[in-house]
Amino acid sequence: AQTVTQSQPEMSVQEAETVTLSCTYDTSENNYYLFWYKQPPSRQMILVIRQEAYKQQNATENRFSVNFQKAAKSFSLKISDSQLGDTAMYFCAFMNRTDSWGKLQFGAGTQVVVTP
Amino acid sequence: EAGVAQSPRYKIIEKRQSVAFWCNPISGHATLYWYQQILGQGPKLLIQFQNNGVVDDSQLPKDRFSAERLKGVDSTLKIQPAKLEDSAVYLCASSFWPWAGQGTDTQYFGPGTRLTVL
Repeated sequence: AQTVTQSQPEMSVQEAETVTLSCTYDTSENNYYLFWYKQPPSRQMILVIRQEAYKQQNATENRFSVNFQKAAKSFSLKISDSQLGDTAMYFCAFMNRTDSWGKLQFGAGTQVVVTP
Repeated sequence: EAGVAQSPRYKIIEKRQSVAFWCNPISGHATLYWYQQILGQGPKLLIQFQNNGVVDDSQLPKDRFSAERLKGVDSTLKIQPAKLEDSAVYLCASSFWPWAGQGTDTQYFGPGTRLTVL
């Protein structure tokens, strides 16, 4: 079974600054995807970024980028130029491509608070 | 393109009562998921449908929870009878099809239903 660990319950950052969220996972699989989802107070989960494990290049989406360290089983998210609208819970998630039909295994989440 | 629709948004019931949640996925999406998100935790998959068939219900408490997707489109999740520990947000998500190509397995989530059991 896979586990996803987010060790930071809450992070605070000022507008325009950079914050990095950590995520580690445990798996014996080699074919998987990793995701970061954002959940604002409205509760709607929104995909921020995805990373295929077979790709060495780190994924980026505008101000969001990841540092994927496969050997270390680490998948951190960097939010650059933070904006007030980035305030939300951020969940790291794992998808095993070998024996599942796309089931997501989520971490416990990190609350990000962006202050003016 | 319309997103995943869920209703109701909020529900308060007494323990031992029954409740039902409804989900309408994005048009054309074959895969539908129901997740339970307890306060302070990440979502946990309860059941997954591929069209109108169940492909994973290993974490569904089948003595009290049931779900159906009769025509392969919208879905209903029911709890009967409810317990205090069922208080949570119930999220529905859909995706086009797993493994059909890059991005087709991306899950899109609805706004969720917040259930409070008193």
